[in-house]
Amino acid sequence: KQEVTQIPAALSVPEGENLVLNCSFTDSAIYNLQWFRQDPGKGLTSLLLIQSSQREQTSGRLNASLDKSSGRSTLYIAASQPGDSATYLCAGSRVSSGSARQLTFGSGTQLTVLP
Amino acid sequence: DTAVSQTPKYLVTQMGNDKSIKCEQNLGHDTMYWYKQDSKKFLKIMFSYNNKELIINETVPNRFSPKSPDKAHLNLHINSLELGDSAVYFCASSLEGNIQYFGAGTRLSVL
Repeated sequence: KQEVTQIPAALSVPEGENLVLNCSFTDSAIYNLQWFRQDPGKGLTSLLLIQSSQREQTSGRLNASLDKSSGRSTLYIAASQPGDSATYLCAGSRVSSGSARQLTFGSGTQLTVLP
Repeated sequence: DTAVSQTPKYLVTQMGNDKSIKCEQNLGHDTMYWYKQDSKKFLKIMFSYNNKELIINETVPNRFSPKSPDKAHLNLHINSLELGDSAVYFCASSLEGNIQYFGAGTRLSVL
């Protein structure tokens, strides 16, 4: 059974800093790994998806890496801004049936970027 | 323009009532999901439908019954609501196992 852990649970940084959020998973047979952002009282926004055959994905100031052998993924945020403040969730997926993918979520890292 | 829409956004009801939450996606996706986010913000899969067929059914009380009238809709009906059902319920959809797109959530409060 897949278990996903995110460390730290909360992180506070001054604006402009580069930061890394960590995600670890127990089952290396994942189909893909997704990073999401959740703002208070809102739904989830997909940030990056890394297929199991890939090692990293980049979008703007965000870079996500995947190391299946060690069961780890990281989300790197460059030049952080107050607007980046949110809860960041990682989720590993496995094949269920057909095109359905069951996501197992971590408990999230609550990021606060101070102006 | 909303990709995945859920209604209602807020639902307050008494214990023992029956309620439904509706979800619609206009992305042409073939798979839809229901997730529950508890008070500790932990998200867990409940159900998944692929082309109107139930694929994933986690350990969820049978008071919860998903209904998919077509590929674009996946509704969640809950019978005999209990205090522990209070949570935020999210609908999501995906195409061929790729990125899952989430709705804004339905905050259910059972009094």
